[in-house]
Amino acid sequence: AQKVTQAQTEISVVEKEDVTLDCVYETRDTTYYLFWYKQPPSGELVFLIRRNSFDEQNEISGRYSWNFQKSTSSFNFTITASQVVDSAVYFCALSDTGRRALTFGSGTRLQVQP
Amino acid sequence: GAGVSQSPSNKVTEKGKDVELRCDPISGHTALYWYRQRLGQGLEFLIYFQGNSAPDKSGLPSDRFSAERTGGSVSTLTIQRTQQEDSAVYLCASSTGHPNTEAFFGQGTRLTVV
Repeated sequence: AQKVTQAQTEISVVEKEDVTLDCVYETRDTTYYLFWYKQPPSGELVFLIRRNSFDEQNEISGRYSWNFQKSTSSFNFTITASQVVDSAVYFCALSDTGRRALTFGSGTRLQVQP
Repeated sequence: GAGVSQSPSNKVTEKGKDVELRCDPISGHTALYWYRQRLGQGLEFLIYFQGNSAPDKSGLPSDRFSAERTGGSVSTLTIQRTQQEDSAVYLCASSTGHPNTEAFFGQGTRLTVV
């Protein structure tokens, strides 16, 4: 069975601080896919990144970076030099060949204070 | 259309009434998902359609909930005899169907049962 755990319910930082959002997943499949989505106050979910289980290369996109470690079943997301516009709820999600529909974590609410 | 479209955007209904929520996926997307998001909570999977395959209904919380997808395109989620605990935002998403591809979400329908 699939499971995604985001243990951090809410994080509050001051602008320009770095922040890491944790995601731990469980799956029995050897082929699976991981995603991060952002849900700003407007409510619409915005796709940020996907990773497949065969690609452990970390990725950086501007101020965003992702650290995928199969050994610890984690797919953590770091925002460098956070900005107020980063304030949102961030969801980690998983799909695999057994359950193609995305299984979401409970989300982490990030508040960036000016 | 350019994105996933859901209607209505808001729905207030009396307890015990039936409601229908509509989702227009992105043209050409074969996969369609329904999720429920209660206030301040994560996304709860409801049902998944993929092409002509039998839908994955494993997330439907009770037999009051049903969904159909006509012609492989538009989907309708029906909730019969609504109850107050059904109050939530109902989110629809679509994708090309491969588990490696991201799902694109609509703005959601906010359902309030009074």
